Amino acid sequence: AQSVTQPDIHITVSEGASLELRCNYSYGATPYLFWYVQSPGQGLQLLLKYFSGDTLVQGIKGFEAEFKRSQSSFNLRKPSVHWSDAAEYFCAVGARGSQGNLIFGKGTKLSVKP
Amino acid sequence: NAGVTQTPKFQVLKTGQSMTLQCAQDMNHEYMSWYRQDPGMGLRLIHYSVGAGITDQGEVPNGYNVSRSTTEDFPLRLLSAAPSQTSVYFCASVSGGGPIQETQYFGPGTRLLVL
Repeated sequence: AQSVTQPDIHITVSEGASLELRCNYSYGATPYLFWYVQSPGQGLQLLLKYFSGDTLVQGIKGFEAEFKRSQSSFNLRKPSVHWSDAAEYFCAVGARGSQGNLIFGKGTKLSVKP
Repeated sequence: NAGVTQTPKFQVLKTGQSMTLQCAQDMNHEYMSWYRQDPGMGLRLIHYSVGAGITDQGEVPNGYNVSRSTTEDFPLRLLSAAPSQTSVYFCASVSGGGPIQETQYFGPGTRLLVL
């Protein structure tokens, strides 16, 4: 069965510092992988997704993620964090050949220090 | 376009009461779904629909009913509310390719408290 693990429940970084949010998945083949962001009181917004090909994926708001098959990971990165990036981030996995439903991780809350 | 709209934004129920959470989208999307979000649990899929007249169960369907009579609307019914259904509920929609091939759009959520 598919599963997603986000090891960090809460991360605090200083504004301008780099960011890496971890995501590990469990799936028998190469999955579809996603990162979503949820600002306080809002619904989720898609940041980026990986289907195949180049393992470094660029997304919106300056985010990128790298798929590493050997580590079953899809970590999200940003070189310089802005205060507006404070939010909760969810990694998700979708199975190839399924109805298209996604399995979400439990989320990582990002706080940004001025 | 309004996107995905949900009503109400907040609701308090007593145990055993019933209610319907409304979800509507104006993007002509075929695929719609309901998730619940609980602290430390992420989002879990309750029910989904791949088109009018077609619904199916997700990961946590017990205690919830859905129907899809039109493309635009996908209401979620709680038949007899329980405190375990206290949660934030999100509706989402995506065009015909589904949430893998296409971008999934989420509504603003309904916060439900069951006493």
